[in-house]
Amino acid sequence: SAVISQKPSRDICQRGTSLTIQCQVDSQVTMMFWYRQQPGQSLTLIATANQGSEATYESGFVIDKFPISRPNLTFSTLTVSNMSPEDSSIYLCSVEGQPKETQYFGPGTRLLVL
Amino acid sequence: QKEVEQDPGPLSVPEGAIVSLNCTYSNSAFQYFMWYRQYSRKGPELLMYTYSSGNKEDGRFTAQVDKSSKYISLFIRDSQPSDSATYLCAMSLDSSYKLIFGSGTRLLVRP
Repeated sequence: SAVISQKPSRDICQRGTSLTIQCQVDSQVTMMFWYRQQPGQSLTLIATANQGSEATYESGFVIDKFPISRPNLTFSTLTVSNMSPEDSSIYLCSVEGQPKETQYFGPGTRLLVL
Repeated sequence: QKEVEQDPGPLSVPEGAIVSLNCTYSNSAFQYFMWYRQYSRKGPELLMYTYSSGNKEDGRFTAQVDKSSKYISLFIRDSQPSDSATYLCAMSLDSSYKLIFGSGTRLLVRP
């Protein structure tokens, strides 16, 4: 399986600021995904990032709030913009797995917004 | 109604017990079914993958899918304290990469 790292692992931020989360994979992958995991709730897909094209956002998530970059086949960033306490959550990146219907996940970024 | 329902637990069992974890779902079009294990402060780790109905066994783990009842299960035999984690079911319609997750069941295996 792919080895995925995320930076930062955790952060505490002030409301109104922005945080960029990095996701690095040890092999080239076509599809990368960003999820949010709120306490006691299921993982929710924010967007799908395909290298060389604009990210595809799920209902309820918009590019202005969660801009995503995908500059190459091993790296992606998610920015959480103009943060509010409601953005406090764990943010996870994942990549297509084997079989391709599965996904491998990074360790997550724990975000607390004060 | 959520697309995927999963009892949050916690489920507490003694070491060596057989554990049964379950999910129900509402969309009969789901084709691919997965179980992930998530340790505290870690990302989800793929445990089992099943396509359509049937059983799949891997060591102490058995995954079952009953599409007629829209019900999936994960059985853990001879449970160990190291199995203590949150178990998430996930499913998808096709190869579109969109996974729908249950909210997870916390399992505690007592030594």
